[in-house]
Amino acid sequence: SYELTQPPSVSVSPGQTARITCSGDALPKKYAYWYQQKSGQAPVLVIYEDSKRPSGIPERFSGSSSGTMATLTISGAQVEDEADYYCYSTDSSGNPWVFGGGTKLTVL
Amino acid sequence: QVQLVQSGAEVKKPGASVKVSCKASGYTFTSYDINWVRQATGQGLEWMGWMNPNSGNTGYAQKFQGRVTMTRNTSISTAYMELSSLRSEDTAVYYCARSSSWPDYWGQGTLVTVSS
Repeated sequence: SYELTQPPSVSVSPGQTARITCSGDALPKKYAYWYQQKSGQAPVLVIYEDSKRPSGIPERFSGSSSGTMATLTISGAQVEDEADYYCYSTDSSGNPWVFGGGTKLTVL
Repeated sequence: QVQLVQSGAEVKKPGASVKVSCKASGYTFTSYDINWVRQATGQGLEWMGWMNPNSGNTGYAQKFQGRVTMTRNTSISTAYMELSSLRSEDTAVYYCARSSSWPDYWGQGTLVTVSS
């Protein structure tokens, strides 16, 4: 079955840039999406179609994709950005939903 | 505004069934698919399946085939997910999520605990 691979954890100091990667064989042909999940809360979409930001998401969140890797970048990470981040995509057949294993971002 | 409001926490015994509801508001219920995703404590997100509220068509992850049923009541804009033959490994938070090409809005989650 198709897999998306993320690093288990990323740690930065406040104000630094955090980068979270997601690798998958179908990413050259399929969009990546990114979700933020804070403790005890439902996931929230922060990036869609590789690099688009939904309304209400701060400009410090950005996304990119190149080859088999998508990247979520948080420029000037803040303490309130501490959360688990999940990438999402589909395989080359378009089925079904696939999530990465999640990356715990620590900002301290 | 778009909202998905799920039913409350459940405690079930092994072998029983659970039915979780997801009431949609703020948009046309039949215009978007409803998907169900679960998350065990400390674990990642696991997709269970989808339902088209307009047609009632469904698609289930192979892991849950034969145990999960997704239905809807369009008159009250509510989707349902029923999971049968529960075992301890099914203890998790269950989420509904609206999707067109991707999941955008999520319910608040329903904790299902399976314990004897």
